[in-house]
Amino acid sequence: AAGVIQSPRHLIKEKRETATLKCYPIPRHDTVYWYQQGPGQDPQFLISFYEKMQSDKGSIPDRFSAQQFSDYHSELNMSSLELGDSALYFCATNAQGALPYGYTFGSGTRLTVV
Amino acid sequence: GENVEQHPSTLSVQEGDSAVIKCTYSDSASNYFPWYKQELGKRPQLIIDIRSNVGEKKDQRIAVTLNKTAKHFSLHITETQPEDSAVYFCAASRNRDDKIIFGKGTRLHILP
Repeated sequence: AAGVIQSPRHLIKEKRETATLKCYPIPRHDTVYWYQQGPGQDPQFLISFYEKMQSDKGSIPDRFSAQQFSDYHSELNMSSLELGDSALYFCATNAQGALPYGYTFGSGTRLTVV
Repeated sequence: GENVEQHPSTLSVQEGDSAVIKCTYSDSASNYFPWYKQELGKRPQLIIDIRSNVGEKKDQRIAVTLNKTAKHFSLHITETQPEDSAVYFCAASRNRDDKIIFGKGTRLHILP
């Protein structure tokens, strides 16, 4: 079965550079959630989109922005990268109001800022 | 906003014994409580969830209980096996389509 696809799997950037992370939902999933997970920490909610509109916003820095496109894939854009941005970034998707319950997480992008 | 507390942060149990992880939440509007298992460097995987209209749910060796009045819920793993070693996260959400807020996680070690 198709899963949530994230790219790239690994990314190394220098401080002050920019990065773009991509998330491709399972077919017919219309909602995307982005989470940031630092080493040894729990996933922190960043932002979510439903039907291409931002639906909720969490602890996302102003240096980050995101959008959802007409094919429902989403991109997380990160600028002026800092060392503290090094983390695993997961997206998760679901289909609003449909079964089964629960998100499906992608495999994540490991971002390392040096 | 929602705050989810999880205990213990680390748990070691002998293989074959039971493990219990407890969580509390603060937002009385939360009504969906998933549990995730995460192995090192991998994605969180949903292992069981419970909605607020149910007090208990069981799936083979895994069970979850919910006390909405006290705002706490627990994960029970029986007959633990080496492959149960991982980090477990409880989480809470206002509904299944809303963002989920995670607890800090419990690192479970199954001892041979």
